[in-house]
Amino acid sequence: EAGVAQSPRYKIIEKRQSVAFWCNPISGHATLYWYQQILGQGPKLLIQFQNNGVVDDSQLPKDRFSAERLKGVDSTLKIQPAKLEDSAVYLCASSTGTVQETQYFGPGTRLLVL
Amino acid sequence: AQSVTQPDIHITVSEGASLELRCNYSYGATPYLFWYVQSPGQGLQLLLKYFSGDTLVQGIKGFEAEFKRSQSSFNLRKPSVHWSDAAEYFCAVGPYGQNFVFGPGTRLSVLP
Repeated sequence: EAGVAQSPRYKIIEKRQSVAFWCNPISGHATLYWYQQILGQGPKLLIQFQNNGVVDDSQLPKDRFSAERLKGVDSTLKIQPAKLEDSAVYLCASSTGTVQETQYFGPGTRLLVL
Repeated sequence: AQSVTQPDIHITVSEGASLELRCNYSYGATPYLFWYVQSPGQGLQLLLKYFSGDTLVQGIKGFEAEFKRSQSSFNLRKPSVHWSDAAEYFCAVGPYGQNFVFGPGTRLSVLP
């Protein structure tokens, strides 16, 4: 079974530029999560999708971050404009259903904002 | 709101020695508890989880964890550490119906 795929793996941009990350969850997984992991910290949930609907985006900085999950499969997370403090690893995870089901994580995208 | 603390930022053990990683949580009721491992450049992998029942939980790779309600703890243990266990370990709390809160992590180094 293929795991959660993410691209790109690394990205370096300058502040005020925009950037987009892509995630392809495990086939058949209805729930998709985006996490931000700042160096030295645990992952922080940004947004959770159930199929193509948003379940929780309470910690998503909506003035600069946006995410979508068209057709309930792939998802993209965008930052526009980026700030220095957005430097982090962005992790995508998927699960079959409720939050207590095992979440399977992708390898992450490491973003550096200069 | 729930919170998770992992008091040890970095632990070093010798290969073959026993290991205990500490996790304490703050939550008003019994939460759902998880331990994840993250190897360099890899995503997080679930080691084990506790929802209810037996307070000693067995996981993958020879890990186990014990839920102690009186101490609000969910410590991870392994009787004999292997060099491949060197990684970052995260404890997470997920009250029913809500999403996970991860602890800050404990980095494990293993000496040959």
